[in-house]
Amino acid sequence: SQKIEQNSEALNIQEGKTATLTCNYTNYSPAYLQWYRQDPGRGPVFLLLIRENEKEKRKERLKVTFDTTLKQSLFHITASQPADSATYLCALDDSGGYQKVTFGTGTKLQVIP
Amino acid sequence: DARVTQTPRHKVTEMGQEVTMRCQPILGHNTVFWYRQTMMQGLELLAYFRNRAPLDDSGMPKDRFSAEMPDATLATLKIQPSEPRDSAVYFCASGRRTDLEAFFGQGTRLTVV
Repeated sequence: SQKIEQNSEALNIQEGKTATLTCNYTNYSPAYLQWYRQDPGRGPVFLLLIRENEKEKRKERLKVTFDTTLKQSLFHITASQPADSATYLCALDDSGGYQKVTFGTGTKLQVIP
Repeated sequence: DARVTQTPRHKVTEMGQEVTMRCQPILGHNTVFWYRQTMMQGLELLAYFRNRAPLDDSGMPKDRFSAEMPDATLATLKIQPSEPRDSAVYFCASGRRTDLEAFFGQGTRLTVV
């Protein structure tokens, strides 16, 4: 069966360190993968998209890698700040780019001052 | 500041009642999604539309749920009859076919008692 796995345990890190979140998937062949941020009581907010033929994408303090052989994406936040505390969701499109996007359950990140 | 607007924000209803949730997508977006979020299942895609035509509603229980786009500025999700297991946060999101990111509304928190 198809599965998207994110670390269900909360991730606690010290301010200033790099946070690394993992997204593993099975039985998907995604055209692209996205990362979203969700704060309590709010809808998810888009952060980054990486396509199947891309290895890495960066945006300010954020970096995403995509390894289609390992079926894994890593999401990094460098120089983390307490304001980065949120739940981070990975999402992938397995419909050949038709935007039928399936979300993982998310990882809660807590950045400790 | 363009955003997806959902109404109502909160809804408490009795089992068996009809529930209608409304969504105004961002002007110019031609793709509209309905998601449901629960602690157990995370974010699940219920249905999505492109240019007002349903593309996929395989995630929706067909016997009680229906989704429509009467016009480009309004999407509706109806549950009839509602059941306690429908209690969840329902999110609408919109996007463009060209850039693939989804913009989420604030959600409708539904409680069926």
